[in-house]
Amino acid sequence: NAGVTQTPKFRVLKTGQSMTLLCAQDMNHEYMYWYRQDPGMGLRLIHYSVGEGTTAKGEVPDGYNVSRLKKQNFLLGLESAAPSQTSVYFCASSYSILGQGGTGELFFGEGSRLTVL
Amino acid sequence: GESVGLHLPTLSVQEGDNSIINCAYSNSASDYFIWYKQESGKGPQFIIDIRSNMDKRQGQRVTVLLNKTVKHLSLQIAATQPGDSAVYFCAEHYSGTYKYIFGTGTRLKVLA
Repeated sequence: NAGVTQTPKFRVLKTGQSMTLLCAQDMNHEYMYWYRQDPGMGLRLIHYSVGEGTTAKGEVPDGYNVSRLKKQNFLLGLESAAPSQTSVYFCASSYSILGQGGTGELFFGEGSRLTVL
Repeated sequence: GESVGLHLPTLSVQEGDNSIINCAYSNSASDYFIWYKQESGKGPQFIIDIRSNMDKRQGQRVTVLLNKTVKHLSLQIAATQPGDSAVYFCAEHYSGTYKYIFGTGTRLKVLA
């Protein structure tokens, strides 16, 4: 059981380049999330999805786009990368949210380290 | 090297001692809390959770205490082992939303 898988694990971009991070989960989870993790700060939510075909903005959505065409996949795109987007990106998924019969536990991938020069 | 957590507070404990890691949360209406462990170069790993209608919950070698009066959460690790060395952070869930707020974390170093 792979859980949450992120690709690629490492990437170096030049300012202005574009790229897509792929997140795949095999737990049949409805909810998926993209976070970024920066030194001295807690995880911050970029975008999330509550089901196939739906997406919504989180705390820091500017400069990013997402798509959830299939339930198991959640893609994070950078159209024109900036040095401020240098970070470690984590995808997470959950079966439910609290109050819908589940624990609300978030399952995380191993992270994708992005450097923008 | 690992860039995340360069400026984190650090707790150093002797192997075999108990560890207590603290977390202050922000929203008195938060209804659910999780402790995560993050090893260098890896994703956060679930340790234990607690709902707001509880004060204490125990797992294997870990206990979480919730004090809603002062909005404080603590993680106690019994008989700390070298494999416990990692960054630990708490997360609070905002009731009725998909939002989780994550703490910045504490680095636990276990001394042999």
